[in-house]
Amino acid sequence: EIVLTQSPGTLSLSPGERATLSCRASQSINSIFLAWYQQKPGQAPRLLIYGASRRATGIPDRFSGSGSGTDFTLTISRLEPEDFAVYYCQQYGSSPPLSFGGGTKVEI
Amino acid sequence: QVTLKESGPALVKPTQTLTLTCTISGFSLSTSGMRVCWIRQPPGKALEWLARIDWDDVKFYSASLKTRLTISKDTSKNQVVLTMTNMDPVDTATYYCARLTSDVFTGSWYFDPWGQGTLVTVSS
Repeated sequence: EIVLTQSPGTLSLSPGERATLSCRASQSINSIFLAWYQQKPGQAPRLLIYGASRRATGIPDRFSGSGSGTDFTLTISRLEPEDFAVYYCQQYGSSPPLSFGGGTKVEI
Repeated sequence: QVTLKESGPALVKPTQTLTLTCTISGFSLSTSGMRVCWIRQPPGKALEWLARIDWDDVKFYSASLKTRLTISKDTSKNQVVLTMTNMDPVDTATYYCARLTSDVFTGSWYFDPWGQGTLVTVSS
């Protein structure tokens, strides 16, 4: 089973700053199977990025994803107040199981 | 508009069996390529994938919970049902259903959309 490790656990930043979130896989994965989600308190996760770098419908361009192999990154270029949330990476292999990372909390 | 909505008991006792229902609108479970998963999240913790069912009734389970889980679908009602036996307080979590989508252009797989989730507390 592929384990995803996200770092840092918590990122303390101010609005307008750049956020860089890391997701490291225990073995190489095809980037088309790497997704990122945003979750706000009391809400379900929302798809941000799929295929490692493709923004989902309606996601602002300040969100970008990159990476390949075992190392993937979610970047928020300029934090808006509504971006303070928990972010999860997720991988889907050629067959289950799929797995989620432990999450990174972006806080003010 | 595609929506999913979870329903089930908010409180179950230890050793009981939990039954959750995911009611789907905006797509049919019988349509080729449709896949629905259950995912849970203990309070303050990360997401955990539980099970998946496909349009052709193929099923997959989390290895660690396989012996306790059963996923099924009722295409006439457009519902997916998850049962989990022998519930324990550590199973207290918000349970989500979500559509597992495969993008025809990129070959990518991802969960979209998600249901709102239902909180299940296991306590005597």
